[in-house]
Amino acid sequence: KQEVTQIPAALSVPEGENLVLNCSFTDSAIYNLQWFRQDPGKGLTSLLLIQSSQREQTSGRLNASLDKSSGRSTLYIAASQPGDSATYLCAVNLQETSGSRLTFGEGTQLTVNP
Amino acid sequence: AAGVIQSPRHLIKEKRETATLKCYPIPRHDTVYWYQQGPGQDPQFLISFYEKMQSDKGSIPDRFSAQQFSDYHSELNMSSLELGDSALYFCASTQVGWQTQYFGPGTRLLVL
Repeated sequence: KQEVTQIPAALSVPEGENLVLNCSFTDSAIYNLQWFRQDPGKGLTSLLLIQSSQREQTSGRLNASLDKSSGRSTLYIAASQPGDSATYLCAVNLQETSGSRLTFGEGTQLTVNP
Repeated sequence: AAGVIQSPRHLIKEKRETATLKCYPIPRHDTVYWYQQGPGQDPQFLISFYEKMQSDKGSIPDRFSAQQFSDYHSELNMSSLELGDSALYFCASTQVGWQTQYFGPGTRLLVL
């Protein structure tokens, strides 16, 4: 059974810092990995998707990397802002077939202090 | 851009009642997923449909059923509600050939 772990569970940083969120998964045979952002009581916003054949993806101040063989992904946030405060979730998809599930980690709750 | 629509956004029910949650995927998306997120927990996969056929099934209780209709919208039917069913229920959608799952805002269900 695929298990996804995120470290740390919570992180508090001052504005402007660069930071790294970690995600690890037990079954390296993933099809893709997706990073999401969730604000309290809200839905999930997709940030980045990395296919199993890719090493990294970038979107603005966000960079996600994937090391499939070691079962790890990182989300790098550059020059953090208070608006980045949210819970960040990683999720893995094991199969290529349409409708295959995402398995989520428990998330990292990020607070960026002004 | 159009997003996934879920209704209702909030729902309060009594124990043993039934509830129906609706999901309208992004236009041209043919695959829908249902997830349940309990308080302080990560989303747990319930069930998914592709082209109106069940595609994958997770930890969905037997009291729950779901289907996808010809217009691709989906409904999650929940019967004999229990206190533990109180959660945020998300629907997500994708289009075949595209991998990113796009999530709706969720339906917050409270069972009293």
